[in-house]
Amino acid sequence: GAGVSQSPSNKVTEKGKDVELRCDPISGHTALYWYRQSLGQGLEFLIYFQGNSAPDKSGLPSDRFSAERTGGSVSTLTIQRTQQEDSAVYLCASSPAGLEQYFGPGTRLTVT
Amino acid sequence: AQKITQTQPGMFVQEKEAVTLDCTYDTSDQSYGLFWYKQPSSGEMIFLIYQGSYDEQNATEGRYSLNFQKARKSANLVISASQLGDSAMYFCAMIPPKGAGSYQLTFGKGTKLSVIP
Repeated sequence: GAGVSQSPSNKVTEKGKDVELRCDPISGHTALYWYRQSLGQGLEFLIYFQGNSAPDKSGLPSDRFSAERTGGSVSTLTIQRTQQEDSAVYLCASSPAGLEQYFGPGTRLTVT
Repeated sequence: AQKITQTQPGMFVQEKEAVTLDCTYDTSDQSYGLFWYKQPSSGEMIFLIYQGSYDEQNATEGRYSLNFQKARKSANLVISASQLGDSAMYFCAMIPPKGAGSYQLTFGKGTKLSVIP
């Protein structure tokens, strides 16, 4: 079946611009996670959605970062006023029951 | 707080040989889960194996096995009969216990495995 998909696969943006990253989870998976992978910080948790519950935003690094999940499916991660330190690979994962997480291919964000 | 330590930035192994990738963890929780993921150069994270803290037997999945030593807080990955396609980054990761809220993964820094023909 179809796995987790993310778009775009690559995004180059100028410092100060806003960007939106999209994640389509595996159908039926109720849990959705966003992670960031950068050379300096490794893999970091950003935000978690579970069904209709309030999201766990404890990993978001600043208020420039936000995410939403519409209809319990597609999720969008938005970064406002991008900075060079936001350059990283943003990974989305979904899970049917909160244990094993299935990752998408990631979006490589480059802020120039 | 949970912490994962992978002390081997890079490892080399001869094709068809076995290799052990080290992982130690730190947590005050009694219940937790441990994972290993593989990340090839394509970038996608691939689930390999899972071990629950209360599982009495070491987890195995094909050529992958997890050497779980709870008292030492270690969860080493053993890959038997290495193949060229095993060359990748390998990440050890941990999740908190059920009821802790979200099951976000805490990752180690990773080990880059290179399989030599």
